[in-house]
Amino acid sequence: AQSVTQLDSQVPVFEEAPVELRCNYSSSVSVYLFWYVQYPNQGLQLLLKYLSGSTLVESINGFEAEFNKSQTSFHLRKPSVHISDTAEYFCAVSRNTGGFKTIFGAGTRLFVKA
Amino acid sequence: DAMVIQNPRYQVTQFGKPVTLSCSQTLNHNVMYWYQQKSSQAPKLLFHYYDKDFNNEADTPDNFQSRRPNTSFCFLDIRSPGLGDAAMYLCATSREGNEDGYTFGSGTRLTVV
Repeated sequence: AQSVTQLDSQVPVFEEAPVELRCNYSSSVSVYLFWYVQYPNQGLQLLLKYLSGSTLVESINGFEAEFNKSQTSFHLRKPSVHISDTAEYFCAVSRNTGGFKTIFGAGTRLFVKA
Repeated sequence: DAMVIQNPRYQVTQFGKPVTLSCSQTLNHNVMYWYQQKSSQAPKLLFHYYDKDFNNEADTPDNFQSRRPNTSFCFLDIRSPGLGDAAMYLCATSREGNEDGYTFGSGTRLTVV
């Protein structure tokens, strides 16, 4: 079975500051890793994913995440945040063979202050 | 645009009165999921369909049922809603293998009065 731990429930940060949202996972099999973003009263949207290959993956709006197999982590970072990045961010894991169910972390609420 | 649509966005139902939430997709994905999300919590998988094969999570209450009459539509039925069933209900789809991740609908927020 897989599990996901998001180490921070809330992260307040000032606009234009860097941010890191932490995610650790556990799994006995190889996995895909995802970050999803949820704006208020909306569904989740895929932000970025790691399937294989390069351990650093990027999104179109400046976020990046690095897969670290030895530390079983998939932390999300952005060098300079905007007010519009205020949202809930979910780290998620699914098996990469023989299944497609996704397990979500409890979420991290990013609050960007002016 | 291909998408996942949930109706209604907001649903108020009376305690014990059956309610149905609907989800449709134009992505032609063969896997559809229903998640329950309570405030400040992770989405919790209730069940999923792989094509017509129904897969119930072990801890999903019997009060929750689902139907998938065709590839495009999936319904969540709550037979006797209790106050504890108030939540956001999220429908999602994916291709087999999940390489593209999930596509979610906007959710239905259920209030039980």
